[in-house]
Amino acid sequence: QQQVRQSPQSLTVWEGETAILNCSYEDSTFDYFPWYWQFPRESPALLIAIRPVSNKKEDGRFTIFFNKREKKLSLHITDSQPGDSATYFCAASPAGGYKVVFGSGTRLLVSP
Amino acid sequence: EAAVTQSPRNKVAVTGGKVTLSCNQTNNHNNMYWYRQDTGHGLRLIHYSYGAGSTEKGDIPDGYKASRPSQENFSLILELATPSQTSVYFCASGDAGTGKDSDYTFGSGTRLLVI
Repeated sequence: QQQVRQSPQSLTVWEGETAILNCSYEDSTFDYFPWYWQFPRESPALLIAIRPVSNKKEDGRFTIFFNKREKKLSLHITDSQPGDSATYFCAASPAGGYKVVFGSGTRLLVSP
Repeated sequence: EAAVTQSPRNKVAVTGGKVTLSCNQTNNHNNMYWYRQDTGHGLRLIHYSYGAGSTEKGDIPDGYKASRPSQENFSLILELATPSQTSVYFCASGDAGTGKDSDYTFGSGTRLLVI
């Protein structure tokens, strides 16, 4: 049973376009949603995160949009660059929880 | 600089042999985690620990044991390695559950090949 789902599995955009990565979850107790990115042959690293008290979190070209009612969130990458090519993991953690649940990832390729 | 260090970086083991993967963190985090990463499955939790002396089963613990002898060190043990355990293993540390955000710091990973 996959608690955090991501789509699409892979995505290709042109340099300068906006990439949209989708995520949904089932557990209503989740209250912290970090996104990690992972470059080939490297380890995952925290990119940006949001709590449900907000419906939007922005950090430069990266923005999380959050819809608590529908249990969905999305990561928007504006003005995509080839250096953004990586696998992006949506994750979730319950309030006071010790564990983070990861989605299966979206592989993003930004073509120059 | 605070970090999570895994060893070895690469390992080839024979089926039925014992494998120990080591992890050391200097973040002073209470919690440590072992994940495996396989294509199409993302990151799957094997074992985790709340602190020295504690180990807990994650989502896929079968065939693995863990040991947390100190705050800094967390090992993953494959008593009888099988080819299905060929994977990339990541160790992570974090302070989730302590009132802080559930952010992880990952080690650089261990590539294990069981032949």
